[in-house]
Amino acid sequence: GAVVSQHPSRVICKSGTSVKIECRSLDFQATTMFWYRQFPKQSLMLMATSNEGSKATYEQGVEKDKFLINHASLTLSTLTVTSAHPEDSSFYICSARDHGGRGTGELFFGEGSRLTVL
Amino acid sequence: LAKTTQPISMDSYEGQEVNITCSHNNIATNDYITWYQQFPSQGPRFIIQGYKTKVTNEVASLFIPADRKSSTLSLPRVSLSDTAVYYCLVGDPSGSGSARQLTFGSGTQLTVLP
Repeated sequence: GAVVSQHPSRVICKSGTSVKIECRSLDFQATTMFWYRQFPKQSLMLMATSNEGSKATYEQGVEKDKFLINHASLTLSTLTVTSAHPEDSSFYICSARDHGGRGTGELFFGEGSRLTVL
Repeated sequence: LAKTTQPISMDSYEGQEVNITCSHNNIATNDYITWYQQFPSQGPRFIIQGYKTKVTNEVASLFIPADRKSSTLSLPRVSLSDTAVYYCLVGDPSGSGSARQLTFGSGTQLTVLP
């Protein structure tokens, strides 16, 4: 099946620094990717929709200046957590939909990135 | 947004068949039903997708009644490694990013006991 890869899988940073997380679709092109955040024992919460070549669409309550999203190519989207604080510590997951001939449109998810802000 | 309702948790024993039901009363004509499995600290993994009646693959079956207002994921002969959270999502898979298919409900924590 289609593969979506995230990097890094874990990152620890100091408060006030910025952290970039990459999401790649390895064997298909994704015009749209999605970023989720998941806190312990909770469900996934959609943060934003990343659109190749255009601005991301953010869900209500998600600060676009805090969570910068760039989708510069059909296989790469990046999420940058700017000026991270301890409350930003979470599990960030990206996904992409394979609209190709073999795909049924299901979402494929990355492995997730665990962010810990000290 | 389409809302899904699932039991918060279920327990089962190894070797048993497990059925997890999801309610989705507001399902639209173009919506499909998709189930995902998530292990701790991992991204969700696609299990099965269906539109109506019954779908079966190598790991699960999905039963959808005629009114499509609910669906049941059936896991045959579960093992300890099937302990995970299971989510059902409802939406149009051909959509250009409709949030309806991207909204996760609370999921069902399945615990398989020895």
